[in-house]
Amino acid sequence: GESVGLHLPTLSVQEGDNSIINCAYSNSASDYFIWYKQESGKGPQFIIDIRSNMDKRQGQRVTVLLNKTVKHLSLQIAATQPGDSAVYFCAENLIQGAQKLVFGQGTRLTINP
Amino acid sequence: DTGVSQNPRHKITKRGQNVTFRCDPISEHNRLYWYRQTLGQGPEFLTYFQNEAQLEKSRLLSDRFSAERPKGSFSTLEIQRTEQGDSAMYLCASSLGLTVEAFFGQGTRLTVV
Repeated sequence: GESVGLHLPTLSVQEGDNSIINCAYSNSASDYFIWYKQESGKGPQFIIDIRSNMDKRQGQRVTVLLNKTVKHLSLQIAATQPGDSAVYFCAENLIQGAQKLVFGQGTRLTINP
Repeated sequence: DTGVSQNPRHKITKRGQNVTFRCDPISEHNRLYWYRQTLGQGPEFLTYFQNEAQLEKSRLLSDRFSAERPKGSFSTLEIQRTEQGDSAMYLCASSLGLTVEAFFGQGTRLTVV
């Protein structure tokens, strides 16, 4: 079936270091991908998105890379801060023009002081 | 607060009872989505509306679940004859037109005892 998964369930990095969170997706027809951040007790918060016709997109301290050949998505967070500690989900969009998102299980990122 | 608002934040109910949740999307957002999230998992798509029309329903949405958006603004999600397996966080999100960036609410946490 269709699924989006993550390689690691947890990731710990030192404050100030860069972090990379990986995601594998299985639906080659997906045209849009999003990374969300979810803090405890809160709803997912949009971080950055990328369309299937791109392979890289940069935001503020974040970069998303898309490798369609191997169906791999990654989120790079530069100069991590304590506030970056959260669960990060990748999601793929299955309906063009709408947002029927399929989420992965998430990676818990912990920033160590 | 101009974000997506969900009420109640928490609901504890006895098995077999009916429950109803409400979602108020961001003003002017014509698309509204419901997702369900269980502990340690990513959100799962349930259904979405464009204005008052319900355009897509997941297989997860059994006949005990019904969602409405009568005037194209707020939406309600009702679960009849609740079961323990319905215990989860129910998330609402909204987006504007073809913009796929959806904004999530804080969710309603349902516990069925």
